[in-house]
Amino acid sequence: DQQVKQNSPSLSVQEGRISILNCDYTNSMFDYFLWYKKYPAEGPTFLISISSIKDKNEDGRFTVFLNKSAKHLSLHIVPSQPGDSAVYFCAASDPHRSGTYKYIFGTGTRLKVLA
Amino acid sequence: DSGVTQTPKHLITATGQRVTLRCSPRSGDLSVYWYQQSLDQGLQFLIQYYNGEERAKGNILERFSAQQFPDLHSELNLSSLELGDSALYFCASSERPGVTDTQYFGPGTRLTVL
Repeated sequence: DQQVKQNSPSLSVQEGRISILNCDYTNSMFDYFLWYKKYPAEGPTFLISISSIKDKNEDGRFTVFLNKSAKHLSLHIVPSQPGDSAVYFCAASDPHRSGTYKYIFGTGTRLKVLA
Repeated sequence: DSGVTQTPKHLITATGQRVTLRCSPRSGDLSVYWYQQSLDQGLQFLIQYYNGEERAKGNILERFSAQQFPDLHSELNLSSLELGDSALYFCASSERPGVTDTQYFGPGTRLTVL
């Protein structure tokens, strides 16, 4: 049962244009969301996060939008650059009553930015 | 370079064998996490340690075990290996175990079970 879904395995975008990566989740208890970027032969790198009490968070060229009613978040990259070509993972924090939590990751979207 | 090191980079072994994967967290980080990434899958959370104690558990098989040592490095032990255990295993670390504490990932260990 995939609680965090990234339905687009791949995306190609022209350099300079906007890249929009989407993520859907099923559990309304998720309270914190993150995006990680992964290059080949490297571990994932944290990109940006958003708390469930916000609907937008911006960091430079990267903006994450959260729509709680639709259980949907998206990552916008503007303008896209060839160096942004990577696999992007969406993750959600699943809190436990004990005070612990775990991250639930999606399967990733491979972004290719064309020069 | 995240500052998290994992050894070995690659491991090839046979079914039924046992292996140990090692992780050294970033300097100052007290919390360590282990993840498994199988082909075309997302990262599956296995287990988390904080300052030597188990903090959270995911879908970790009983054949797998982990520990965090006093020097804060961690080891993931996989035994009675099966073909399906072939995957990338990532270790991550964070300063504290809080949800907003950024997890920094190592480069991973690629395990191939033949």
